[in-house]
Amino acid sequence: DAKTTQPTSMDCAEGRAANLPCNHSTISGNEYVYWYRQIHSQGPQYIIHGLKNNETNEMASLIITEDRKSSTLILPHATLRDTAVYYCIVGGGGSNYKLTFGKGTLLTVNP
Amino acid sequence: GAVVSQHPSWVICKSGTSVKIECRSLDFQATTMFWYRQFPKQSLMLMATSNEGSKATYEQGVEKDKFLINHASLTLSTLTVTSAHPEDSSFYICSARDFEVNTEAFFGQGTRLTVV
Repeated sequence: DAKTTQPTSMDCAEGRAANLPCNHSTISGNEYVYWYRQIHSQGPQYIIHGLKNNETNEMASLIITEDRKSSTLILPHATLRDTAVYYCIVGGGGSNYKLTFGKGTLLTVNP
Repeated sequence: GAVVSQHPSWVICKSGTSVKIECRSLDFQATTMFWYRQFPKQSLMLMATSNEGSKATYEQGVEKDKFLINHASLTLSTLTVTSAHPEDSSFYICSARDFEVNTEAFFGQGTRLTVV
């Protein structure tokens, strides 16, 4: 699986958009970009994933660059409950699939 | 998203005993389940991958005879930590996926194991 690089930590003001970057320069053509987050002492929560196109759901938006070597997760209006470790993971979508977690980004939303 | 339930949420056991952790997919059939371990202030570490009805595939360095994984049905996988020792104390998390339907996997809430 391709590796990812994320900043160790980020801060965001409550109510503002949080933009979390991720580099995945060695991503393969059939690998997806997945985003999960983990609030302390809980299991990871699925946020969003994409292959080539930008994606949006009720939680967030995912912007993937045209060359697919990087992506940005956008939380449009961050709240205090969005404080968590955010993991960007790349992996295949087929049956031979596993999610390998890196260290992620600790996002702290401040009041 | 789909719901994955783990039981128990926490367990304390004596050194030398065995502990079983259950992972259930409540509203979908999990063709594949994954087991992770997470130590304090560290990321999740994949222990093994199991497909329904098949033997689990363990990651390098994970003892298959110590961490027994059973995935007997499309909605249930179990992890048994045999002859537990204090160093096995950790946060164990399962994940499930139906690769025929979704590309994403969903996670349980985790089980905190403390071996005393």
